[in-house]
Amino acid sequence: GAGVSQSPRYKVAKRGQDVALRCDPISGHVSLFWYQQALGQGPEFLTYFQNEAQLDKSGLPSDRFFAERPEGSVSTLKIQRTQQEDSAVYLCASSPRGANTGELFFGEGSRLTVL
Amino acid sequence: DAKTTQPNSMESNEEEPVHLPCNHSTISGTDYIHWYRQLPSQGPEYVIHGLTSNVNNRMASLAIAEDRKSSTLILHRATLRDAAVYYCILRNTGGFKTIFGAGTRLFVKA
Repeated sequence: GAGVSQSPRYKVAKRGQDVALRCDPISGHVSLFWYQQALGQGPEFLTYFQNEAQLDKSGLPSDRFFAERPEGSVSTLKIQRTQQEDSAVYLCASSPRGANTGELFFGEGSRLTVL
Repeated sequence: DAKTTQPNSMESNEEEPVHLPCNHSTISGTDYIHWYRQLPSQGPEYVIHGLTSNVNNRMASLAIAEDRKSSTLILHRATLRDAAVYYCILRNTGGFKTIFGAGTRLFVKA
């Protein structure tokens, strides 16, 4: 497809398990963002990549959260030792240009439920 | 980061115009005003953006106050499919973050 693709769409994890969430941005898009959205809230910024460089990770809530984009295309958000408060929808967005310019294209999100 | 303030919710009748307000009193000269909307169980989608002048596209119009401290998203004829959460956000070319607030939940009555 031509849009941003995220997988899995739904993930149930037991507390303490590690999870990995994948984002396939639109081909050629320079910027990639990860957001966390709790139920009934707006998306909260987690981290930003410009190509393979992680230029801002100030929104990552703890050192259990780690994101990478090694070849400047696909990105993975990893959460170690999941906790119940990690339950949320994780949104990925890409943009054709760098920095804070242009339209953001969002995926449908990965809904994580931690039991 | 400059913030925006929006009403929690608004209601409209189908086929009537809707004016969604947004206050951004601390906006800087290089902040672009963007609007996104989020339908249930979907990621946000781009609606429109502008810097100083009013903007029109096939989805909506954006009216920006002369002092740029507020803006209004205008849906000319609301349909049931426009029921969503609408986010007004500021994007500055000097940074990387795009901060979303809680948005305005728009209810459309048939």
